[in-house]
Amino acid sequence: NAGVTQTPKFQVLKTGQSMTLQCAQDMNHNSMYWYRQDPGMGLRLIYYSASEGTTDKGEVPNGYNVSRLNKREFSLRLESAAPSQTSVYFCASRTGASGANVLTFGAGSRLTVL
Amino acid sequence: ILNVEQSPQSLHVQEGDSTNFTCSFPSSNFYALHWYRWETAKSPEALFVMTLNGDEKKKGRISATLNTKEGYSYLYIKGSQPEDSATYLCAFSKQAGTALIFGKGTTLSVSS
Repeated sequence: NAGVTQTPKFQVLKTGQSMTLQCAQDMNHNSMYWYRQDPGMGLRLIYYSASEGTTDKGEVPNGYNVSRLNKREFSLRLESAAPSQTSVYFCASRTGASGANVLTFGAGSRLTVL
Repeated sequence: ILNVEQSPQSLHVQEGDSTNFTCSFPSSNFYALHWYRWETAKSPEALFVMTLNGDEKKKGRISATLNTKEGYSYLYIKGSQPEDSATYLCAFSKQAGTALIFGKGTTLSVSS
């Protein structure tokens, strides 16, 4: 089983460039999430989609947009990348938005903005 | 923004030692508390989910307890092994339907 698949795994961008991180899950999960991980900061929530057709801001949404394309796919877009967006990005999903449901994480996407 | 605190930030123990970490969270509007294990170069994996005050969960040598009235959870590792080396994350949900908020983690290093 693939679980949660993120692409690309690595990306280097120049300041001002745009890019989209793709995430797909094959577990029929309703809820999907994007987190970023920075040294000393733990995992911080960027955006989430509790169910297909809905998206909500998390702790650090500025500079990002998301699209819940269908039940399987949830993409994260950087419209104009900044060095402060250099980070490791994790997509995660779970059965439903209930706080008792565990998250399944993708392998992460390491983004460097020069 | 909710504040989830974990302590210590890191610790180093010898093989065979037992150890424990703390996760503190807001006690009002509590819904669920999660523990995840995150090995280097891998993704976080769920260990436990607890929802009721007094909950205790166990998986092998690892166990966790929950006190929702005072807002803390403990993770215990009995007889640490080198393969236990990882960062342990706790995450808090304040009500149904809200996303998990993570602490910064406790990084455990076990030497043989």
